[in-house]
Amino acid sequence: GQSLEQPSEVTAVEGAIVQINCTYQTSGFYGLSWYQQHDGGAPTFLSYNALDGLEETGRFSSFLSRSDSYGYLLLQELQMKDSASYFCAVPNSGAGSYQLTFGKGTKLSVIP
Amino acid sequence: DGGITQSPKYLFRKEGQNVTLSCEQNLNHDAMYWYRQDPGQGLRLIYYSQIVNDFQKGDIAEGYSVSREKKESFPLTVTSAQKNPTAFYLCASSDLRGSGNEQFFGPGTRLTVL
Repeated sequence: GQSLEQPSEVTAVEGAIVQINCTYQTSGFYGLSWYQQHDGGAPTFLSYNALDGLEETGRFSSFLSRSDSYGYLLLQELQMKDSASYFCAVPNSGAGSYQLTFGKGTKLSVIP
Repeated sequence: DGGITQSPKYLFRKEGQNVTLSCEQNLNHDAMYWYRQDPGQGLRLIYYSQIVNDFQKGDIAEGYSVSREKKESFPLTVTSAQKNPTAFYLCASSDLRGSGNEQFFGPGTRLTVL
């Protein structure tokens, strides 16, 4: 089966940098995705890493180390609107099947 | 505008009644999914469908049923056999021709069983 571990809550100051970690255990590995969800809203896709290294998209970056079964989401220049829950997710198998297993989510609170 | 719609946003039902949640997409995506979200939990997969007239059970399918008669529509029925149906239900879709890892979500239906 698949399992993902991420911290339940993180608090950071507006303008700062925060890192949200995710460790996973999978029977096969096909990539790590990140989603953002504001309270009561729909999750939205942020990033996907299939290979080791850092992927940057504006203020958000995502990192993957397959040898360590570990990834993180890095948010820079935090804004109040970044207060949300962040989920890491892995596909259950390779090409042709896109079922995702999600972590339980990290609730990020940005404070002034 | 392309997207996924779910209706209604809030739904109240009495215990023992079946209820059907609507999900429609106009993104021309092949795959559609239903997830359940409980407080403090991640999203758990109920059912998914990769093609019309075919669907597969996810991790928590007991007490739920689906149909996929049209590419655009994937309704979910919460039956009286579901022991704890009160939850936030999210529908999603994805394009299998791409990497497939990006799923697009609807706004969700919050079901409360009284």
